[in-house]
Amino acid sequence: DVKVTQSSRYLVKRTGEKVFLECVQDMDHENMFWYRQDPGLGLRLIYFSYDVKMKEKGDIPEGYSVSREKKERFSLILESASTNQTSMYLCASSPPPGRGITEAFFGQGTRLTVV
Amino acid sequence: AQKVTQAQTEISVVEKEDVTLDCVYETRDTTYYLFWYKQPPSGELVFLIRRNSFDEQNEISGRYSWNFQKSTSSFNFTITASQVVDSAVYFCALFNSGYSTLTFGKGTMLLVSP
Repeated sequence: DVKVTQSSRYLVKRTGEKVFLECVQDMDHENMFWYRQDPGLGLRLIYFSYDVKMKEKGDIPEGYSVSREKKERFSLILESASTNQTSMYLCASSPPPGRGITEAFFGQGTRLTVV
Repeated sequence: AQKVTQAQTEISVVEKEDVTLDCVYETRDTTYYLFWYKQPPSGELVFLIRRNSFDEQNEISGRYSWNFQKSTSSFNFTITASQVVDSAVYFCALFNSGYSTLTFGKGTMLLVSP
């Protein structure tokens, strides 16, 4: 069974803390993505990566960074958490288009609250 | 720029009613792919269907059916005889061929009451 696993379901952090959200996939996918989901705004792309050590900015990268040291792992970093980063964060992975356009597989989400 | 519009924010129905979720998209690509995902209360997005632009045949899977109309740039989703377990947020998404990313609509929350 294919799996995208996010390290935490719920997280509470203080303003100014450095926060790491971890995501691991076991499908040997090249592409990995981080989205945030907010009521009334749907899913918005933060960052994505096509391969190890590669990263691309999505639509809302401000206040975030990412790390991809291994193919299976894609980390989202909040350098200094702020209350407006309270949100649901969703990780996803997909194979490259060369293997045919398939769906992206999503993790269960991390609900982050910054207080 | 690509765009997906789900005009219905929330729909409430009673069990066994049929319900249609609307999706309208904008793209300059001549070949493109559309998706529907379901997000139950547990939070994980569950893939429902992928449709490419050169196949306009409508699709049925059990109680689910999809109506793809290129002329109106719409990809609507119908649930027949809805059930309480269909309660979820449903997202329509458009594949961005240049970046292999997905552009999502804002989602439609479906509430099915017994």
